[in-house]
Amino acid sequence: AQKVTQAQTEISVVEKEDVTLDCVYETRDTTYYLFWYKQPPSGELVFLIRRNSFDEQNEISGRYSWNFQKSTSSFNFTITASQVVDSAVYFCALSGLSNFGNEKLTFGTGTRLTIIP
Amino acid sequence: NAGVTQTPKFRVLKTGQSMTLLCAQDMNHEYMYWYRQDPGMGLRLIHYSVGEGTTAKGEVPDGYNVSRLKKQNFLLGLESAAPSQTSVYFCASSYPGQGLPYEQYFGPGTRLTVT
Repeated sequence: AQKVTQAQTEISVVEKEDVTLDCVYETRDTTYYLFWYKQPPSGELVFLIRRNSFDEQNEISGRYSWNFQKSTSSFNFTITASQVVDSAVYFCALSGLSNFGNEKLTFGTGTRLTIIP
Repeated sequence: NAGVTQTPKFRVLKTGQSMTLLCAQDMNHEYMYWYRQDPGMGLRLIHYSVGEGTTAKGEVPDGYNVSRLKKQNFLLGLESAAPSQTSVYFCASSYPGQGLPYEQYFGPGTRLTVT
């Protein structure tokens, strides 16, 4: 069975501070994919990143960066110089093998991030 | 492109009533999904479809039925609503992965309350 744990239920930081959202996963698959989604107050989930299990390189996209470590089964997300627009619920998700592909996602419970102006 | 749209946005039902949630996508995606989001539980997959005319059960399918008569539409039905089905329902769609899962595109959600 697959499992995604986001232990941080809520985080509040002052604007311009850096913040890291933790994600720990469990899977027996050797090939799997990890995702991060953002859910702003409007409610619609927005895709941020996809990472496969064979690529442990960290990724940076503007103020966002992701640290994937297979040794600790973690896929953490860091926002640098946070802004109020970053306030949202962030979900980590895991996709394993299935009959038709890897698309069935297992979501974590989410971390609500509040950026204080 | 409208992306993924959901109808209605809000609904209040009484226990035992039935209703259908409509999801439509204009991106020609093969795969479509229905999730429910409950506080402290993240999103859980209810049913999904890998193509027109096909459906399959997800993690929490009990009390729901689905149909995919047209590629662009995915319907979620509640035959006899229960208070436990009070939730926010999200529809999503994606391209077929063929081993590489593409990202899922989500609709804006339907907030359903069953009293």
